[in-house]
Amino acid sequence: ETGVTQTPRHLVMGMTNKKSLKCEQHLGHNAMYWYKQSAKKPLELMFVYNFKEQTENNSVPSRFSPECPNSSHLFLHLHTLQPEDSALYLCASSYTTGVSQPQHFGDGTRLSIL
Amino acid sequence: TQLLEQSPQFLSIQEGENLTVYCNSSSVFSSLQWYRQEPGEGPVLLVTVVTGGEVKKLKRLTFQFGDARKDSSLHITAAQTGDTGLYLCAGTGGSARQLTFGSGTQLTVLP
Repeated sequence: ETGVTQTPRHLVMGMTNKKSLKCEQHLGHNAMYWYKQSAKKPLELMFVYNFKEQTENNSVPSRFSPECPNSSHLFLHLHTLQPEDSALYLCASSYTTGVSQPQHFGDGTRLSIL
Repeated sequence: TQLLEQSPQFLSIQEGENLTVYCNSSSVFSSLQWYRQEPGEGPVLLVTVVTGGEVKKLKRLTFQFGDARKDSSLHITAAQTGDTGLYLCAGTGGSARQLTFGSGTQLTVLP
């Protein structure tokens, strides 16, 4: 139990579907992150939120839309995805966005696009 | 862009053997973190090293940060099957505003 919970754990969707990934942290952290993990590639940072405000968008296509209603919850809304978007999507949190802060990861959502 | 290269990419060894994995960069990092990711789970932080030449030990795991803070190594003594996982290094510092991750070393320890 890392204190960061992601749902669903697995998701299969067609390219025209709309779905959302959810992340919740119980650690009292103020910063939350979305990462994409593909085989044989480094973790790719997608979005960073600090105190509910988006501070980083790492040139992510608009078919990925994040939402952070409060410091404990983070969503990733998905629409019209492509097959290359199939990957493990990891949520993480840290006390602040200071680069030396350790990040606590959820177990990820395994996304498959048909 | 700061890049971290990890080697080897894959490593398969027998239980009881020793091993070392490496994390190298041409950039200087102010600190470096090591994570382990087990199948079906997210990465879990093992250690953070911040001082050039620093050595930290975590039971059978020994982490070293290079003197020039451009590289790091992880040495495991007497590997156990429970050490199996993806070992990721991640660096901070320089122009990077966030953690930069390496692509990882996939370690398999066979019984």
